[in-house]
Amino acid sequence: EAGVAQSPRYKIIEKRQSVAFWCNPISGHATLYWYQQILGQGPKLLIQFQNNGVVDDSQLPKDRFSAERLKGVDSTLKIQPAKLEDSAVYLCASSLGRVAEAFFGQGTRLTVV
Amino acid sequence: DQQVKQNSPSLSVQEGRISILNCDYTNSMFDYFLWYKKYPAEGPTFLISISSIKDKNEDGRFTVFLNKSAKHLSLHIVPSQPGDSAVYFCAASPSYVTGANSKLTFGKGITLSVRP
Repeated sequence: EAGVAQSPRYKIIEKRQSVAFWCNPISGHATLYWYQQILGQGPKLLIQFQNNGVVDDSQLPKDRFSAERLKGVDSTLKIQPAKLEDSAVYLCASSLGRVAEAFFGQGTRLTVV
Repeated sequence: DQQVKQNSPSLSVQEGRISILNCDYTNSMFDYFLWYKKYPAEGPTFLISISSIKDKNEDGRFTVFLNKSAKHLSLHIVPSQPGDSAVYFCAASPSYVTGANSKLTFGKGITLSVRP
């Protein structure tokens, strides 16, 4: 079974630039999550999709972050404009129906300089 | 406001001995607790979970204990192996089923080193 695919693996940008991350969840998984993990911290949920719809985006900084899930499958997370404090690993996860069955991708490490 | 706390940043144990990783939480709405394991450059992988209606769940070498009154849980690994060396995250959710009320809240993680 293929896992959660994320790209790119690494990205370095200057502050005020924009960046986009892509996630392809496990086939058939209706729930998709984007997490932000800052160095030394645990993952923090940014947004949760159920099929096409947003279930929870309470911790998404909506002035600069946006996310969409096309046709209930792939998802992109965008930051525009980036700030230094956005440097983190961005993790995508998907699950079928139970919280414990969330599978994580390898993540995208973003460095904002 | 840190709702899930892993106060010890690191733990080092000898191979074959027991590893005990602790976690405390503050939110009484949490009903489901999980441990994740993370190797460098990889995403977290699910290890073991426990519902609030239980006080113990066992899976091979891994056992999770839950003390609801103390809002405390612990992960026991017996016997510890060098391959267990990783970062372990404690996480909590108000719900077992994904939905509007199932957000996972993670602790900061603890780095376990198992010495050969």
